[in-house]
Amino acid sequence: EDQVTQSPEALRLQEGESSSLNCSYTVSGLRGLFWYRQDPGKGPEFLFTLYSAGEEKEKERLKATLTKKESFLHITAPKPEDSATYLCAVLLYNFNKFYFGSGTKLNVKP
Amino acid sequence: DTAVSQTPKYLVTQMGNDKSIKCEQNLGHDTMYWYKQDSKKFLKIMFSYNNKELIINETVPNRFSPKSPDKAHLNLHINSLELGDSAVYFCASSRAGQPQHFGDGTRLSIL
Repeated sequence: EDQVTQSPEALRLQEGESSSLNCSYTVSGLRGLFWYRQDPGKGPEFLFTLYSAGEEKEKERLKATLTKKESFLHITAPKPEDSATYLCAVLLYNFNKFYFGSGTKLNVKP
Repeated sequence: DTAVSQTPKYLVTQMGNDKSIKCEQNLGHDTMYWYKQDSKKFLKIMFSYNNKELIINETVPNRFSPKSPDKAHLNLHINSLELGDSAVYFCASSRAGQPQHFGDGTRLSIL
C-alpha cells in the first residue's frame, strides 16, 4: 500500500539550532516529491519539488534532499519565523493525485 | 490578486443542513482538487477535476458532490451535514504533474 510518513510529529528548536525533518515513502512509480509549508489558518504553500534520487534544492535556510526511500528537509540556523507545519507529498506516475504525510510541526524559540 | 480563492472562510451550521463551498483559481491551471484536513493536519484528497472532467473520486460519502462549471471553478456541495464533516476543506489547483497551489481553506463546524 502506498504510504507517506513524516517524522518527528513535532520539533522544538532554539533559534540557530539546525535540524532535519524526515519524509519516508513506500510507493511505486514516484513521479515527484513536494515539500510545503503551512502556517496556522492558511493553506499549504509550495517550497520544493524533487524528481530523482540525489537531487537537492535550496532556499534560504531550507535544503531538501531526496533518496529512493526518503526525503529530508534540512533547516540551518532556524529563526522564529520558520515556525510552521511542514508537509511532504508524493505524486505517482500511475495516478494524478498527491499523497500527503501528516506533517511536522516546527516551533523555533527565540 | 489571490491565486486560489475559497468562499466562505468560515461555515458554522446545524446538523442535517445542506451547504456549498466555492473555489476559483486565476492561474490558468487545468486541474483542480478538493481536500479535507482533519484535526491532525492530515490532508486527504476527495475529488479532482481536469478541464471540467472528474478524474479522481475517492471514497467519499455521496452526500458530497463536486461541480466544475468551467476549468477555473470547482464547487463542493454537501447534503445532510453530519458532525464528522467538521474539518477544514481546501481547494487547490495545478498543471499536470506540477506543484499545487492551495486556497486558505473553509473551516466547517457542525453544531
